[in-house]
Amino acid sequence: DAKTTQPTSMDCAEGRAANLPCNHSTISGNEYVYWYRQIHSQGPQYIIHGLKNNETNEMASLIITEDRKSSTLILPHATLRDTAVYYCIAQNTGNQFYFGTGTSLTVIP
Amino acid sequence: GAVVSQHPSRVICKSGTSVKIECRSLDFQATTMFWYRQFPKKSLMLMATSNEGSKATYEQGVEKDKFLINHASLTLSTLTVTSAHPEDSSFYICSAGQGRGYTFGSGTRLTVV
Repeated sequence: DAKTTQPTSMDCAEGRAANLPCNHSTISGNEYVYWYRQIHSQGPQYIIHGLKNNETNEMASLIITEDRKSSTLILPHATLRDTAVYYCIAQNTGNQFYFGTGTSLTVIP
Repeated sequence: GAVVSQHPSRVICKSGTSVKIECRSLDFQATTMFWYRQFPKKSLMLMATSNEGSKATYEQGVEKDKFLINHASLTLSTLTVTSAHPEDSSFYICSAGQGRGYTFGSGTRLTVV
């Protein structure tokens, strides 16, 4: 199962774009990259996922490098409610999620 | 969208008793559900994969006799913490989904006193 590494914490000014990197250098060709976030004492919330192509939805954009060894989650206009722990996960063929340590994002007013 | 309901959200039990946590998929059928536990300020740890109509698959180091999982229907999986002890106090979270996307429940805070 591919392991992901993320920075432990990041700050972002409110209204600015938040760019959260993730390294998944051992990802295999059929493993999707998923991003979830968790606000304190709640279950993780789905954000976005992708395989090869860049993806965008109403919450965020996902940029995956051509070699698929890393990706970046972009929150285009961060708000205070985006303060959370963000997890980047490589989903294995058994559809299981093995969470890494995640990035604690703090949006600063 | 897919909704996963988890109950109870919070439970306090005495040491030595058993506690059952329910995970329901409300608007879809889930042949597979997953159970996680999370300690304070730590990441989620996958405990087991719950398969409808068959035995659960446990991750290495997770005691299957301690954490009993039953997935008797396509919309319900239960996790029973047997003979609970204070070290079992944790945040337990389930997830279920269709296809590749998975939705998580809101979690159960278990405190064993």
